[in-house]
Formats: sequence, structure tokens, C-alpha cells
Amino acid sequence: GQSLEQPSEVTAVEGAIVQMNCTYQTSGFYGLSWYQQHDGGAPTFLSYNALDGLEETGRFSSFLSRSDSYGYLLLQELQMKDSASYFCAYFGNEKLTFGTGTRLTIIP
Amino acid sequence: DTAVSQTPKYLVTQMGNDKSIKCEQNLGHDTMYWYKQDSKKFLKIMFSYNNKELIINETVPNRFSPKSPDKAHLNLHINSLELGDSAVYFCASSQGVEKLFFGSGTQLSVL
Repeated sequence: GQSLEQPSEVTAVEGAIVQMNCTYQTSGFYGLSWYQQHDGGAPTFLSYNALDGLEETGRFSSFLSRSDSYGYLLLQELQMKDSASYFCAYFGNEKLTFGTGTRLTIIP
Repeated sequence: DTAVSQTPKYLVTQMGNDKSIKCEQNLGHDTMYWYKQDSKKFLKIMFSYNNKELIINETVPNRFSPKSPDKAHLNLHINSLELGDSAVYFCASSQGVEKLFFGSGTQLSVL
């Protein structure tokens, strides 16, 4: 079957670094995307990895290992506004399938 | 200039009623989608259209009928609403498959 698993909750301290993991199982895979969603808001695109390795966009970095069916999102210099849900998603079979999401809570 | 706009933002209705949600995108994208997000925040694709043609129909009850009059619009009509239809419905559009632009969502509450 097709699935993406993420830890349900992560707590981190303001100013620190946090890594949120995503493992996937799928028969067809073209790449892994990451989305952020604040409470009451819409998902917004953060990053995409088509190839193995690290992609960096400001404070956000995303990593993919196809051989391990694994990826992660790394957030640096955490700010209170980073408290949100983070979803990994893969494109396969002509659709974007989302993971279960990780709720990130930032504490002072 | 909202990229993907959907209306209404809130929809409260009785079981058995029929309702519609409208979506429009001004990004010039070829593909539009409807996603359903349940109370556990799980985002599940319902439909996708590419240039007005239905591409994905993800085993959604036939009470749900999408309509795409042109590639900038994708509406969702729901017949005979049930309690289990209560959720947030997101419209989205994309040009490539990796980056979707989402509307602000429609919170549907069926009483």
C-alpha cells in the first residue's frame, strides 16, 4: 500500500533546531514535498526533494534518501511562529498524497 | 490578489441538504484539486482535474460531484449531506506536481 508516517507531535525550544522525520511506502515515487499548516490556515508549500540529498531554503532544509524511503525537514533558529503542523507528501500515481502530519510546538 | 480563492469560508447546514463550494484560481495553472481534511488533520485527495478533465476520483461517494467549467474554476457540489461530511475542504491548484497552492478552506459543519 501507499503510506507516509510522521511522528504526531514534537516540542522544541525557541532558537534551537528541530528535525521532523517522514518515512514512506509506495510503489511509485517521484519526490517528497513538505508543507506547513498553521491552525485555521491552509497548507503552504515549503520544500521539494526530487533527488537524494539536502535542499536548503533559508531556515528550512529538507533531506531525502530514496534507498531508505526516508526524508526529514530541518528547521533552524526556531521562532514562536514556527508552531504549526508539518506534512510530508509524495507525488505518485498522478496525485500528491500527504503524510499524517507532525504538530510542532515551540516553547520559550 | 488571492491566488486560489474558495467560498464560502464557513458552511453550516442540516443533514440531507445540498450545498456547493466554489473555487477559482488566477495562477494560470492547468490542474486543480479538492482535498478533505478531517478532525485529525489528515489531508486526503478527493478529485483532481487537468484542464477541465477529471483525472483522479479517489473513491468518493457519488453524492460529491465536482464541476470544472473552465481550467480556472473547480466547484464541488454535495448532495444529501451527512454528519460524516463535516470537515474542512480545501481547493488547490498546481502546474507541477510537487507544489500545490491551497485556498483558505471551507469549514463544513453538518448538524
